[in-house]
Amino acid sequence: ETGVTQTPRHLVMGMTNKKSLKCEQHLGHNAMYWYKQSAKKPLELMFVYNFKEQTENNSVPSRFSPECPNSSHLFLHLHTLQPEDSALYLCASSQEGGQAKQYFGPGTRLTVT
Amino acid sequence: KNQVEQSPQSLIILEGKNCTLQCNYTVSPFSNLRWYKQDTGRGPVSLTIMTFSENTKSNGRYTATLDADTKQSSLHITASQLSDSASYICVVSESLNNDMRFGAGTRLTVKP
Repeated sequence: ETGVTQTPRHLVMGMTNKKSLKCEQHLGHNAMYWYKQSAKKPLELMFVYNFKEQTENNSVPSRFSPECPNSSHLFLHLHTLQPEDSALYLCASSQEGGQAKQYFGPGTRLTVT
Repeated sequence: KNQVEQSPQSLIILEGKNCTLQCNYTVSPFSNLRWYKQDTGRGPVSLTIMTFSENTKSNGRYTATLDADTKQSSLHITASQLSDSASYICVVSESLNNDMRFGAGTRLTVKP
């Protein structure tokens, strides 16, 4: 395995629900990322954290709220999502930010009903 | 238009055969290009990385090539195995602001 774990692996939620995705890395890395992967589309970078500071937010709607309490953990809080938000959400980490090699978790398959 | 275009979108080959996946990009200024393999239900795993000065790199049965002049890369898989069935994603990094641009991937299916 890559050393990056994500929970839950699958999630079904209604549009009025609030849920959170969790990512944990056991690699001692300093940068963590959230990506959205929709079918037949390129990965979309959502958020980047470097040393617990958010360094990038790629115009992501406010219904997605990231949290990085420490360098090993990253959360994505979800509320009032839309059906088009259904996708695979991937977490990744790297030793440092920039172009360092990223290690991906297995993803959370999210379905919004 | 995406700055990283991959072809074909999907490919089916028989076990033991070779295949080549293509990646064309317009990202500039160029820093490096990575190929990732993503098995179904898993996150992408890095196969190779090439910088401007490298034009070929191998990882077992996977060989990546890069032509920085024509902005093209290919991933050649030799003697394919059933376990090669996956999506292969090309990622090109820009050197100015470290942005990474992802291709949509090629879905490879290897049949017995």
